Amino acid sequence: GAVVSQHPSRVICKSGTSVKIECRSLDFQATTMFWYRQFPKQSLMLMATSNEGSKATYEQGVEKDKFLINHASLTLSTLTVTSAHPEDSSFYICSAREGTASNEKLLFGSGTQLSVL
Amino acid sequence: ILNVEQSPQSLHVQEGDSTNFTCSFPSSNFYALHWYRWETAKSPEALFVMTLNGDEKKKGRISATLNTKEGYSYLYIKGSQPEDSATYLCANTNAGKSTFGDGTTLTVKP
Repeated sequence: GAVVSQHPSRVICKSGTSVKIECRSLDFQATTMFWYRQFPKQSLMLMATSNEGSKATYEQGVEKDKFLINHASLTLSTLTVTSAHPEDSSFYICSAREGTASNEKLLFGSGTQLSVL
Repeated sequence: ILNVEQSPQSLHVQEGDSTNFTCSFPSSNFYALHWYRWETAKSPEALFVMTLNGDEKKKGRISATLNTKEGYSYLYIKGSQPEDSATYLCANTNAGKSTFGDGTTLTVKP
């Protein structure tokens, strides 16, 4: 069945390094994917909408040069946290729209816990 | 209400108890209401999508209602089981863009 596969599940990196997170749609094509961030004890916050073949749309307050999103194919979207710093430590999760307008649902990846030392 | 709010934040019940929790959203800015179950280390799993005032959905022991005029949805679990332990999220969703509540974390004790 249709699922969203997200990797890696956990990353620990040094400050200043870049980290890439991948989300793949399996058994369906995702023209649109969404990237969220969740800080401890807070809700999922939408960071950006990733559109296949075009530039991502970022939510207010999200730095596009800091969080690079690439959606080069109908099954893969990537989020790169560039020059990560401790304040970027968070849980990142993607989702994709699956199905037709009448029965559309969001499928989520399993998330990536990023810890920047 | 400006954002999506859920209550309570956490809930502990005994196996066999029935329980319910609330999702509140701005009635003037409603699109579609989604409920998800999110177990630790897994992906959030879609439970229900509701759009019409008065909608009621049911899936096994879990059901949900929607009141768009007053801006709330209830999720009910009948006869809770330990495997129901999870965080339940609701979201006001428009074309896939979702505003989430903080979730209600349910713990069912055997």
